[in-house]
Amino acid sequence: SQQGEEDPQALSIQEGENATMNCSYKTSINNLQWYRQNSGRGLVHLILIRSNEREKHSGRLRVTLDTSKKSSSLLITASRAADTASYFCATANFGNEKLTFGTGTRLTIIP
Amino acid sequence: DAGITQSPRYKITETGRQVTLMCHQTWSHSYMFWYRQDLGHGLRLIYYSAAADITDKGEVPDGYVVSRSKTENFPLTLESATRSQTSVYFCASSEGIRGFFGPGTRLTVL
Repeated sequence: SQQGEEDPQALSIQEGENATMNCSYKTSINNLQWYRQNSGRGLVHLILIRSNEREKHSGRLRVTLDTSKKSSSLLITASRAADTASYFCATANFGNEKLTFGTGTRLTIIP
Repeated sequence: DAGITQSPRYKITETGRQVTLMCHQTWSHSYMFWYRQDLGHGLRLIYYSAAADITDKGEVPDGYVVSRSKTENFPLTLESATRSQTSVYFCASSEGIRGFFGPGTRLTVL
């Protein structure tokens, strides 16, 4: 079964607005990662947050992690048309590097 | 170019045929993975390998076989393809947690 579930499944916003996606997971994790997938392409790693971290930033990306609620959020600020893609969270457990992915959020930025 | 490559990129086969999807990485990463991506399911792990000659089942291994005789290669074989194996297959490698993905193979089983 999927470890992560993203919410919402699909999101459409105007260019320049902020986009927020959420991820919930089921078991204890070592870290949580976010990936982007453009249509017809492979996944690209965006950002990683470890289980002992609560917030992390990378450029226009902000990730939060709440291990007590087993949830994470990805915020993309000042969205651009090029941000149109599917976004996946992935979790890794302690002791191995196996990544378990959620079902993804399809983000559409309207110019 | 360094990276992770998959071949073929597109494949059409018939039910019952054996199909092998190739994956090659140039980084010498220890871990390699095979995922399938289907609408509504996200990515599901088929098999993974922690090193040469070490493989383990993922979430959906039935109907698939893998081998890893060399660190850089991780082929995935469908022994007798079924229509339910129509999917997009992604190979990935990892060294130090972060995953690197290939471009995918779109497989259609008729």
